[in-house]
Amino acid sequence: NAGVTQTPKFRVLKTGQSMTLLCAQDMNHEYMYWYRQDPGMGLRLIHYSVGEGTTAKGEVPDGYNVSRLKKQNFLLGLESAAPSQTSVYFCASRAPLGSPLHFGNGTRLTVT
Amino acid sequence: QQQVKQSPQSLIVQKGGISIINCAYENTAFDYFPWYQQFPGKGPALLIAIRPDVSEKKEGRFTISFNKSAKQFSLHIMDSQPGDSATYFCAASKDNYGQNFVFGPGTRLSVLP
Repeated sequence: NAGVTQTPKFRVLKTGQSMTLLCAQDMNHEYMYWYRQDPGMGLRLIHYSVGEGTTAKGEVPDGYNVSRLKKQNFLLGLESAAPSQTSVYFCASRAPLGSPLHFGNGTRLTVT
Repeated sequence: QQQVKQSPQSLIVQKGGISIINCAYENTAFDYFPWYQQFPGKGPALLIAIRPDVSEKKEGRFTISFNKSAKQFSLHIMDSQPGDSATYFCAASKDNYGQNFVFGPGTRLSVLP
């Protein structure tokens, strides 16, 4: 039972490059989230999805896009990476009705 | 209004001691207050959570104390162990939906053997 799996674990990009982070969950959860974690700032929500085919903006969505074509997958894209996007990115999922968030182990992204 | 303040930033405790982490919030609409534990290289995991209709919740060595009038809540770790060394995040939400969570900045706890 893998839970929430994020790939890749590490990535280094140059400014202006693009990439996609993949999140996969095997718990049949409806809700999925992308957070970024920066020192001294806790976790901040980038985008989220309440079901297949739906997405919505969170607190810090600028510079990111997402897609939820399949229920089990939630993709986070950076079209033109900037140094300010250097961070650790966490995907999370949850079932409805008050269940807790389940987090993946993160992707550490460095933009030079 | 949306901010959750957390202190201390870091904490060093001897094995067997009590670790106390404090959080404060402003938005009185918040009604769900979880604590997350994060080990290096791992994602946060729910440790314990409380709703404002109770003043205290205990699970094993972990206790949340909640003061609704002061808009503060705290995590107490009794008989702290080296295995408790991790970063702890408090959070607040208007419900239990992940899109409504506001996280504190985190406290790095080190328990010395």
